[in-house]
Amino acid sequence: DTAVSQTPKYLVTQMGNDKSIKCEQNLGHDTMYWYKQDSKKFLKIMFSYNNKELIINETVPNRFSPKSPDKAHLNLHINSLELGDSAVYFCASSPNMNTEAFFGQGTRLTVV
Amino acid sequence: GENVEQHPSTLSVQEGDSAVIKCTYSDSASNYFPWYKQELGKRPQLIIDIRSNVGEKKDQRIAVTLNKTAKHFSLHITETQPEDSAVYFCAASDPGGYNKLIFGAGTRLAVHP
Repeated sequence: DTAVSQTPKYLVTQMGNDKSIKCEQNLGHDTMYWYKQDSKKFLKIMFSYNNKELIINETVPNRFSPKSPDKAHLNLHINSLELGDSAVYFCASSPNMNTEAFFGQGTRLTVV
Repeated sequence: GENVEQHPSTLSVQEGDSAVIKCTYSDSASNYFPWYKQELGKRPQLIIDIRSNVGEKKDQRIAVTLNKTAKHFSLHITETQPEDSAVYFCAASDPGGYNKLIFGAGTRLAVHP
């Protein structure tokens, strides 16, 4: 049973396109996140949702729009993709404050 | 906000040696410090964590120490094995955010047989 699953695992697309990444967790956690890992492996938080409500938006361009239809799902939609958006995007979840974050397997986005 | 610095960026050891990775944080109100291991092409996974009311925690070959006064914490791996080779990330909880973890830049550990 996969605790945090995201799809697709790989995504190759052209500049200017719009794409979405889906994430689902079956752990019953209240909080979900999106992290971006760049080519230097640096992990940076993008968004945090708690019970479907946006809690953290870390100065991410508004081309990135998260959507949480329910607390088990947090999808990421990206408009007008740019070369600099190429990275690995990780979804994660945690039960509450100051506890372990469980990561999905990552989505490697390549913009050409 | 919280800032986490991690050193070294790369670490190469011989199998059986010990490895130590150090991190410092800026916000004295941070109270949760996890360590993640990320193997090539895989997701980050928690290997050990420590809270601010504890100075040291050990799990088999892995230990973490925390010095709240100096605002630094370290990961110690003893009797290293080739399968320990990975990128290791420290993190600190940002007291101003809702369970927001601020990650260090990572340490690429290579264990040579």
